[in-house]
Amino acid sequence: QKEVEQDPGPLSVPEGAIVSLNCTYSNSAFQYFMWYRQYSRKGPELLMYTYSSGNKEDGRFTAQVDKSSKYISLFIRDSQPSDSATYLCAMTFHGSSNTGKLIFGQGTTLQVKP
Amino acid sequence: EPEVTQTPSHQVTQMGQEVILRCVPISNHLYFYWYRQILGQKVEFLVSFYNNEISEKSEIFDDQFSVERPDGSNFTLKIRSTKLEDSAMYFCASSPAFSKHYEQYFGPGTRLTVT
Repeated sequence: QKEVEQDPGPLSVPEGAIVSLNCTYSNSAFQYFMWYRQYSRKGPELLMYTYSSGNKEDGRFTAQVDKSSKYISLFIRDSQPSDSATYLCAMTFHGSSNTGKLIFGQGTTLQVKP
Repeated sequence: EPEVTQTPSHQVTQMGQEVILRCVPISNHLYFYWYRQILGQKVEFLVSFYNNEISEKSEIFDDQFSVERPDGSNFTLKIRSTKLEDSAMYFCASSPAFSKHYEQYFGPGTRLTVT
Protein backbone atom coordinates (compact mmCIF):
# COMPACT_ATOMS: atom_id res chain seq x y z
CA GLN A 1 0.00 0.00 0.00
CA LYS A 2 1.37 3.40 -0.98
CA GLU A 3 1.94 5.88 1.83
CA VAL A 4 0.01 8.66 0.13
CA GLU A 5 -2.43 8.16 -2.72
CA GLN A 6 -3.95 10.85 -4.89
CA ASP A 7 -5.97 10.51 -8.05
CA PRO A 8 -3.90 12.15 -10.81
CA GLY A 9 -6.99 13.20 -12.78
CA PRO A 10 -7.14 15.23 -14.92
CA LEU A 11 -10.14 17.01 -13.42
CA SER A 12 -11.92 19.51 -15.65
CA VAL A 13 -14.57 21.87 -14.26
CA PRO A 14 -16.35 25.00 -15.47
CA GLU A 15 -15.43 28.38 -14.00
CA GLY A 16 -17.29 29.03 -10.76
CA ALA A 17 -17.60 25.35 -9.80
CA ILE A 18 -16.68 23.96 -6.40
CA VAL A 19 -13.67 21.68 -6.71
CA SER A 20 -12.93 18.81 -4.35
CA LEU A 21 -9.43 17.32 -4.29
CA ASN A 22 -8.57 14.36 -2.07
CA CYS A 23 -5.78 12.20 -0.72
CA THR A 24 -5.70 9.06 1.34
CA TYR A 25 -2.79 7.86 3.41
CA SER A 26 -1.75 4.77 5.28
CA ASN A 27 0.59 5.99 8.04
CA SER A 28 -1.40 7.02 11.10
CA ALA A 29 1.68 8.82 12.48
CA PHE A 30 1.26 11.69 10.03
CA GLN A 31 0.20 14.81 11.91
CA TYR A 32 0.76 17.68 9.48
CA PHE A 33 -1.06 17.85 6.18
CA MET A 34 -0.19 20.31 3.45
CA TRP A 35 -1.54 21.31 0.09
CA TYR A 36 0.76 22.66 -2.58
CA ARG A 37 -0.06 24.09 -5.99
CA GLN A 38 2.33 23.48 -8.85
CA TYR A 39 2.16 25.19 -12.19
CA SER A 40 3.77 23.48 -15.14
CA ARG A 41 7.56 23.29 -14.79
CA LYS A 42 7.56 25.38 -11.60
CA GLY A 43 8.23 24.64 -7.96
CA PRO A 44 5.45 23.62 -5.54
CA GLU A 45 3.81 26.60 -3.83
CA LEU A 46 2.49 26.11 -0.30
CA LEU A 47 -1.25 26.84 -0.12
CA MET A 48 -2.27 25.61 3.30
CA TYR A 49 -1.29 23.33 6.14
CA THR A 50 -3.38 21.69 8.85
CA TYR A 51 -2.30 20.06 12.07
CA SER A 52 -4.11 16.87 13.06
CA SER A 53 -7.84 16.74 12.35
CA GLY A 54 -10.25 19.51 11.51
CA ASN A 55 -10.89 22.22 8.98
CA LYS A 56 -8.95 25.28 7.94
CA GLU A 57 -10.19 28.01 5.65
CA ASP A 58 -8.24 30.59 3.68
CA GLY A 59 -10.24 32.66 1.24
CA ARG A 60 -11.71 30.38 -1.40
CA PHE A 61 -9.74 27.38 -0.10
CA THR A 62 -10.79 24.97 2.67
CA ALA A 63 -8.67 22.08 3.88
CA GLN A 64 -10.18 19.18 5.81
CA VAL A 65 -8.48 16.33 7.63
CA ASP A 66 -10.25 13.19 8.82
CA LYS A 67 -7.64 11.18 10.68
CA SER A 68 -10.05 8.39 11.55
CA SER A 69 -10.50 7.70 7.83
CA LYS A 70 -6.95 8.73 6.87
CA TYR A 71 -8.45 11.09 4.31
CA ILE A 72 -7.74 14.72 3.52
CA SER A 73 -9.50 17.13 1.19
CA LEU A 74 -9.01 20.53 -0.38
CA PHE A 75 -12.08 22.44 -1.53
CA ILE A 76 -11.86 25.37 -3.91
CA ARG A 77 -14.94 27.59 -4.09
CA ASP A 78 -15.77 29.76 -7.09
CA SER A 79 -12.97 28.21 -9.11
CA GLN A 80 -11.14 30.44 -11.60
CA PRO A 81 -9.14 29.64 -14.74
CA SER A 82 -6.06 30.82 -12.81
CA ASP A 83 -6.62 27.88 -10.42
CA SER A 84 -5.67 25.53 -13.26
CA ALA A 85 -2.60 23.71 -11.96
CA THR A 86 -1.51 20.48 -10.33
CA TYR A 87 -2.44 20.20 -6.66
CA LEU A 88 -0.17 18.13 -4.44
CA CYS A 89 -0.97 16.86 -1.00
CA ALA A 90 1.95 16.31 1.37
CA MET A 91 2.30 14.96 4.88
CA THR A 92 4.81 14.81 7.66
CA PHE A 93 5.27 13.85 11.28
CA HIS A 94 5.26 15.77 14.52
CA GLY A 95 7.87 16.14 17.21
CA SER A 96 11.21 14.36 17.43
CA SER A 97 10.44 12.06 14.51
CA ASN A 98 9.98 15.07 12.28
CA THR A 99 13.17 15.73 10.34
CA GLY A 100 11.37 17.67 7.65
CA LYS A 101 10.73 14.88 5.20
CA LEU A 102 7.54 15.61 3.30
CA ILE A 103 5.78 12.69 1.65
CA PHE A 104 3.89 13.80 -1.42
CA GLY A 105 0.96 12.43 -3.33
CA GLN A 106 1.06 12.04 -7.08
CA GLY A 107 -0.76 15.34 -7.63
CA THR A 108 -4.14 16.02 -9.26
CA THR A 109 -4.18 18.09 -12.44
CA LEU A 110 -7.05 20.58 -12.42
CA GLN A 111 -8.33 22.53 -15.41
CA VAL A 112 -10.89 25.26 -14.88
CA LYS A 113 -12.56 26.19 -18.15
CA PRO A 114 -13.84 29.75 -18.71
CA GLU B 1 8.26 38.71 -0.71
CA PRO B 2 11.35 36.58 0.04
CA GLU B 3 11.77 33.50 -2.10
CA VAL B 4 14.07 30.57 -2.64
CA THR B 5 16.22 30.90 -5.74
CA GLN B 6 18.01 28.16 -7.67
CA THR B 7 20.67 28.15 -10.35
CA PRO B 8 21.01 27.09 -13.05
CA SER B 9 17.45 26.69 -14.29
CA HIS B 10 18.58 23.96 -16.68
CA GLN B 11 21.75 21.90 -16.60
CA VAL B 12 22.76 19.44 -19.28
CA THR B 13 25.60 17.08 -18.47
CA GLN B 14 27.12 13.87 -19.74
CA MET B 15 26.86 10.63 -17.83
CA GLY B 16 29.68 10.28 -15.33
CA GLN B 17 30.21 14.01 -14.92
CA GLU B 18 29.90 15.89 -11.65
CA VAL B 19 27.23 18.55 -11.24
CA ILE B 20 26.58 21.09 -8.53
CA LEU B 21 23.11 22.53 -8.14
CA ARG B 22 22.90 25.77 -6.21
CA CYS B 23 20.23 27.22 -4.01
CA VAL B 24 19.84 30.41 -2.01
CA PRO B 25 17.27 29.74 0.74
CA ILE B 26 15.15 32.44 2.34
CA SER B 27 17.51 34.45 4.51
CA ASN B 28 16.17 33.82 8.03
CA HIS B 29 15.36 30.16 7.46
CA LEU B 30 17.21 27.47 9.37
CA TYR B 31 16.20 24.20 7.71
CA PHE B 32 17.05 23.22 4.18
CA TYR B 33 15.93 20.42 1.93
CA TRP B 34 16.41 18.91 -1.50
CA TYR B 35 13.69 17.08 -3.39
CA ARG B 36 13.54 15.73 -6.89
CA GLN B 37 10.73 15.10 -9.35
CA ILE B 38 11.21 12.76 -12.27
CA LEU B 39 8.94 13.78 -15.13
CA GLY B 40 5.41 12.57 -14.48
CA GLN B 41 6.23 11.21 -11.04
CA LYS B 42 5.87 12.28 -7.43
CA VAL B 43 8.02 14.85 -5.71
CA GLU B 44 10.50 12.76 -3.69
CA PHE B 45 12.46 13.75 -0.61
CA LEU B 46 16.24 13.52 -0.88
CA VAL B 47 17.73 15.13 2.21
CA SER B 48 17.13 17.54 5.07
CA PHE B 49 19.89 19.69 6.57
CA TYR B 50 20.17 21.70 9.75
CA ASN B 51 23.06 23.26 11.63
CA ASN B 52 25.55 22.04 9.02
CA GLU B 53 24.47 18.44 9.38
CA ILE B 54 22.22 16.08 7.51
CA SER B 55 19.08 15.41 9.56
CA GLU B 56 17.67 12.70 7.32
CA LYS B 57 18.39 11.29 3.90
CA SER B 58 16.39 9.01 1.69
CA GLU B 59 17.54 5.79 0.06
CA ILE B 60 17.95 7.77 -3.16
CA PHE B 61 20.63 9.92 -1.50
CA ASP B 62 23.50 7.48 -1.86
CA ASP B 63 27.26 8.08 -1.77
CA GLN B 64 27.11 9.89 -5.10
CA PHE B 65 25.17 12.73 -3.49
CA SER B 66 26.39 15.33 -1.04
CA VAL B 67 25.11 18.63 0.33
CA GLU B 68 26.94 21.62 1.66
CA ARG B 69 26.27 25.07 3.02
CA PRO B 70 29.57 26.69 2.00
CA ASP B 71 28.66 30.13 3.33
CA GLY B 72 25.81 31.94 5.04
CA SER B 73 23.58 32.07 2.01
CA ASN B 74 24.15 29.16 -0.39
CA PHE B 75 23.06 25.54 -0.13
CA THR B 76 24.37 23.12 -2.73
CA LEU B 77 23.63 19.61 -3.94
CA LYS B 78 26.48 17.77 -5.62
CA ILE B 79 26.13 14.65 -7.70
CA ARG B 80 29.59 13.16 -8.16
CA SER B 81 29.07 10.86 -11.13
CA THR B 82 25.75 11.42 -12.83
CA LYS B 83 23.65 8.61 -14.23
CA LEU B 84 20.92 8.74 -16.83
CA GLU B 85 18.34 8.09 -14.10
CA ASP B 86 19.41 11.26 -12.27
CA SER B 87 17.61 13.26 -14.94
CA ALA B 88 14.87 15.11 -13.06
CA MET B 89 13.77 18.45 -11.65
CA TYR B 90 15.62 19.18 -8.43
CA PHE B 91 13.91 21.45 -5.94
CA CYS B 92 15.50 23.17 -2.99
CA ALA B 93 13.26 24.17 -0.08
CA SER B 94 13.71 25.95 3.22
CA SER B 95 11.69 26.42 6.38
CA PRO B 96 12.00 28.95 9.22
CA ALA B 97 12.25 26.82 12.37
CA PHE B 98 11.94 23.31 13.77
CA SER B 99 8.27 23.74 14.50
CA LYS B 100 7.70 24.73 10.92
CA HIS B 101 9.03 21.77 8.98
CA TYR B 102 5.54 21.70 7.58
CA GLU B 103 5.98 25.20 6.21
CA GLN B 104 8.51 24.50 3.47
CA TYR B 105 9.02 26.99 0.67
CA PHE B 106 10.25 25.64 -2.61
CA GLY B 107 12.45 27.17 -5.26
CA PRO B 108 11.65 27.10 -8.98
CA GLY B 109 13.83 24.05 -9.55
CA THR B 110 16.80 23.04 -11.68
CA ARG B 111 16.07 20.76 -14.59
CA LEU B 112 18.95 18.28 -14.83
CA THR B 113 19.34 16.40 -18.07
CA VAL B 114 21.94 13.62 -18.18
CA THR B 115 22.87 12.42 -21.66
